[in-house]
Amino acid sequence: DGGITQSPKYLFRKEGQNVTLSCEQNLNHDAMYWYRQDPGQGLRLIYYSQIVNDFQKGDIAEGYSVSREKKESFPLTVTSAQKNPTAFYLCASSIGGEYTEAFFGQGTRLTVV
Amino acid sequence: RKEVEQDPGPFNVPEGATVAFNCTYSNSASQSFFWYRQDCRKEPKLLMSVYSSGNEDGRFTAQLNRASQYISLLIRDSKLSDSATYLCAVNLRAGSYQLTFGKGTKLSVIP
Repeated sequence: DGGITQSPKYLFRKEGQNVTLSCEQNLNHDAMYWYRQDPGQGLRLIYYSQIVNDFQKGDIAEGYSVSREKKESFPLTVTSAQKNPTAFYLCASSIGGEYTEAFFGQGTRLTVV
Repeated sequence: RKEVEQDPGPFNVPEGATVAFNCTYSNSASQSFFWYRQDCRKEPKLLMSVYSSGNEDGRFTAQLNRASQYISLLIRDSKLSDSATYLCAVNLRAGSYQLTFGKGTKLSVIP
């Protein structure tokens, strides 16, 4: 099955801990993205990557880090510097280029306890 | 003006009704436009791309008005299963891969 896989689906973290969210795609897409969604809010872009070994900050990158060592993988680390990490995190990918639509993984729901 | 703006609703409509949503965008040079559907606590799923000439997929019609900088989504003969939040997404900047999303419009179709 081709698609985007995020894991885990639910994640609980203690305050002060870093946590890494996984995102893997087998669609051979060049571009990958991380969005955050809070209740009643739209999607806000955290980071995006247009090509392997390159990534750019989105609108709310503070407290997050990413890597893009392989085309298929774009993990997101939520660091202890992120003040309000509890949210729904969505990974997406697109073929690349400005006219292409993005497809989403099922999301990871992160709760800080 | 917000970069991408939608009426949050909720829109409560009876089955069989026709309902339309608009989404305004700030940059006249925006290149590509999409509508997504998001069910409660699920990921957004692509519903339609929006082309300059407009496009139709069954009961759904999407249109682009560049002069007034908005896109629209029309749903005819609403079904209970159409109940969801509809998000618009716009690539605001030429040469960028970023999609900027509206906050979504919630639709409830009532029996």
